[in-house]
Amino acid sequence: AQTVTQSQPEMSVQEAETVTLSCTYDTSENNYYLFWYKQPPSRQMILVIRQEAYKQQNATENRFSVNFQKAAKSFSLKISDSQLGDTAMYFCAFILTDSWGKLQFGAGTQVVVTP
Amino acid sequence: DVKVTQSSRYLVKRTGEKVFLECVQDMDHENMFWYRQDPGLGLRLIYFSYDVKMKEKGDIPEGYSVSREKKERFSLILESASTNQTSMYLCASSLRQSTDTQYFGPGTRLTVL
Repeated sequence: AQTVTQSQPEMSVQEAETVTLSCTYDTSENNYYLFWYKQPPSRQMILVIRQEAYKQQNATENRFSVNFQKAAKSFSLKISDSQLGDTAMYFCAFILTDSWGKLQFGAGTQVVVTP
Repeated sequence: DVKVTQSSRYLVKRTGEKVFLECVQDMDHENMFWYRQDPGLGLRLIYFSYDVKMKEKGDIPEGYSVSREKKERFSLILESASTNQTSMYLCASSLRQSTDTQYFGPGTRLTVL
């Protein structure tokens, strides 16, 4: 079975600073995708970024970037120039290519951006 | 934009009641999912459906059933609600492939007394 571990329950960062969220996963498979989802206090979960395991280049999306280390099974998210609107719960998720859409989620990291 | 809506934001029910949670998506997605979200546990998959009238069990299907009579609508049913089913329930949909991005609804906070 695949597992996803987010070891930081909560992180605090000041506006304009950078914060990095860690995520590790465990699988013996080679073909999979990784995701970071954001859930703001309003509760609508939205996709932040996705990464295909076969791609070596790290995905970026504006101020959000990932550090994908396949051998180490690590998928960290970096938020640069943090904004108050980045305050949210962040979930790391993993899916095997042939798993019928069965996303496996980590427990989440609460990010609080302070003025 | 994909829109996934859920019938209620907050719901309070009594133990033993039959509960229906409904989810509707407007983008002709083939796949639909029901998750429950609990603090410290992340999201866990209850059931999913990859086509009308098709359903598959997720990781925690016990105590739940689902119905998908139309492509855009996916219902979660608690046949006899229990207090341990108090949780946040999230619906999601995705286009077709297993790795397509899942789009989530706003969630239903269910309290069973």
